[in-house]
Order: sequence, then C-alpha cells, then structure tokens
Amino acid sequence: GNSVTQMEGPVTLSEEAFLTINCTYTATGYPSLFWYVQYPGEGLQLLLKATKADDKGSNKGFEATYRKETTSFHLEKGSVQVSDSAVYFCALSVLPSGGYQKVTFGIGTKLQVIP
Amino acid sequence: DVKVTQSSRYLVKRTGEKVFLECVQDMDHENMFWYRQDPGLGLRLIYFSYDVKMKEKGDIPEGYSVSREKKERFSLILESASTNQTSMYLCASSFHRGLGEKLFFGSGTQLSVL
Repeated sequence: GNSVTQMEGPVTLSEEAFLTINCTYTATGYPSLFWYVQYPGEGLQLLLKATKADDKGSNKGFEATYRKETTSFHLEKGSVQVSDSAVYFCALSVLPSGGYQKVTFGIGTKLQVIP
Repeated sequence: DVKVTQSSRYLVKRTGEKVFLECVQDMDHENMFWYRQDPGLGLRLIYFSYDVKMKEKGDIPEGYSVSREKKERFSLILESASTNQTSMYLCASSFHRGLGEKLFFGSGTQLSVL
C-alpha cells in the first residue's frame, strides 16, 4: 500500500537556522506530493506541492523537490522564523482505478522555533 | 475566501451517545472528506463523498457513518460513541477528484468521549 514516512519531532531550532524535514514515500503508480502545514488551533493548509519528478514546489521561503530515484520530498527553508512554528505534514496522492484521488498523510513533524 | 466550517471546536459526549459532527463548505466543491487526527498516527481517512447522497469508505470507517443531503454539507455520525473515538476530527473539501487536487480543511472538532 501507499505510505509516507517522516519524523514526529519536535524539531527545535533557533530563529534564522536552516530547516530540513525529511519525507520519504512508498506508492504504487505515479503520485503527486504535498506539504501541508497546521498552525496552532487551525486546520491544515497547503504549503506546496509537486506533481512530477524533479519538480520543485515553493512557497513562503519553503522548498521541496520531487525525487523519484530516492522516493523523497524533503522540506527545506533557509532561515526559519518564530512564526513558522507549526506541524508539517508530508502527503501523497494517487488516482486508483475508481477515479477518486486518495491522499495519504505522514504523521506530522512538529517544528518549534525559538527566538 | 475559501471556507470550510465545522460547527463545534470542542465537544464532550458520554459513551453510547449518538454524536453528529457537521461540516459546511462555501466553495461549491464536489468532494468532501472526514479525517481523524491522532498523535503519532497523523491523519486517517474515515469517509469521503464525491457527490450529493454518495459516500465511500475510507481507511477506518468502523463505528462511523456519514450523510450528504446537500452539496455544501457533510455530516459525520458516531452511532454509539466510545472512548476510543476521542480524537480531533477534520473535515476537508476539494473542487475536483483528480490527481494533485488541493484539500481545504476546517479548523477541526476536538471530541472527548467520557
């Protein structure tokens, strides 16, 4: 079956530090890949996505590159801010024969950025 | 702006009660979803609906049912609540059913079953 692997954390960084959150996946077919972010007290919102190999998704200073050869979609940011403190979910979607997108989420990685 | 609204932020119920969680979206989306979110397990799909009066089981449908009488509203029903259904419940919607479609989430309902 399909699965997404990421560390749960928490990951604690000082402001302006470099961030990497690793994400690897297992999927049948050719998935689309996503990062969603959940700020405290809120639902998830899409941060970025990539739909084919070597695509780079980017938003708000965050980037992730779809690496088919290593089945990975690691999230990076060059300089984190306190306002980036949140839970980050890696996810994949596939289109089974039934025709409805099926999304599988990782367990979420909590990021804490301290001033 | 896009909006998915869940009727309650916090809910406390007793074991055996019938519980209704309501979700409304204002974007004319075809697809609606119910997930539960638990620490260490991430999000798990309970049910989804791709059209009015249509529903499909997700990965963990046991103990739950759903209703979609109108396009904008998707209800999750716990027929007889149990303590292992204490969780954060998230509703989501998407415009189309195709690959790569973005999901829009509500803020969640934290349900405690005592």
